Amino acid sequence: SYVLTQPPSVSVAPGQAARITCDGNDIGSKSVHWYQQKPGQAPVLVVFDGGDRPSGIRERFSGSRSGNTATLIISAVEAGDEADYYCQVWDNQVWDDNSDLWVFGGGSKLTVL
Amino acid sequence: QAQLVESGGGVVQPGGPLRLSCVASGMTFSNFGMHWVRQAPGKGLEWVAFIRYDGKKKNYADSVKGRFTIARDNSKNTVSLQINNLRVEDTAVYYCAAAGKDWFDPWGQGTLVTVSS
Repeated sequence: SYVLTQPPSVSVAPGQAARITCDGNDIGSKSVHWYQQKPGQAPVLVVFDGGDRPSGIRERFSGSRSGNTATLIISAVEAGDEADYYCQVWDNQVWDDNSDLWVFGGGSKLTVL
Repeated sequence: QAQLVESGGGVVQPGGPLRLSCVASGMTFSNFGMHWVRQAPGKGLEWVAFIRYDGKKKNYADSVKGRFTIARDNSKNTVSLQINNLRVEDTAVYYCAAAGKDWFDPWGQGTLVTVSS
């Protein structure tokens, strides 16, 4: 099965940019989506299709992809950005409709220093 | 604005059944695939099951195949998850989420299932 690997924790000072990585085999061929989850709350989609933002998500959230790594970039980090962040892809086999899987990375805890 | 509300969680003994429900509002429910995702205490997100907008395609994580059944009733804007033979390791918050092209948005607030004797 497909595996996505994230660093358990990322720390950044306020006002700096945070980069949260997500490694997966041939991830460049997949659409990568990112979620923010604050304590006690449900996850919220912050970036989809690698770099697009849902309505209401601030421009400070963006995504990039290079080789086997996708990256969520949060520019000018604020205290309110402190949360767990998860990457996600859809793993499908075109010849087998029953094998579709949706895969999450293990999550990265963003700490604002 | 789309809203999803889960219900049906609680404390259940190992081996028992449980049925979770999720009611949608503020969206044309019959146009959307729906997912269930769970999160064990202190752990990450785990996708559990998917049902297509018309109910004719269902997918399950390997960890729940044979015990979990996803279903939907488009006339009631509801998706359900029937869980049989509950195990301690099924203890988690269960979220329903609407399917984007291949992402999850929005999510419900979750319902907690605790499996304990």
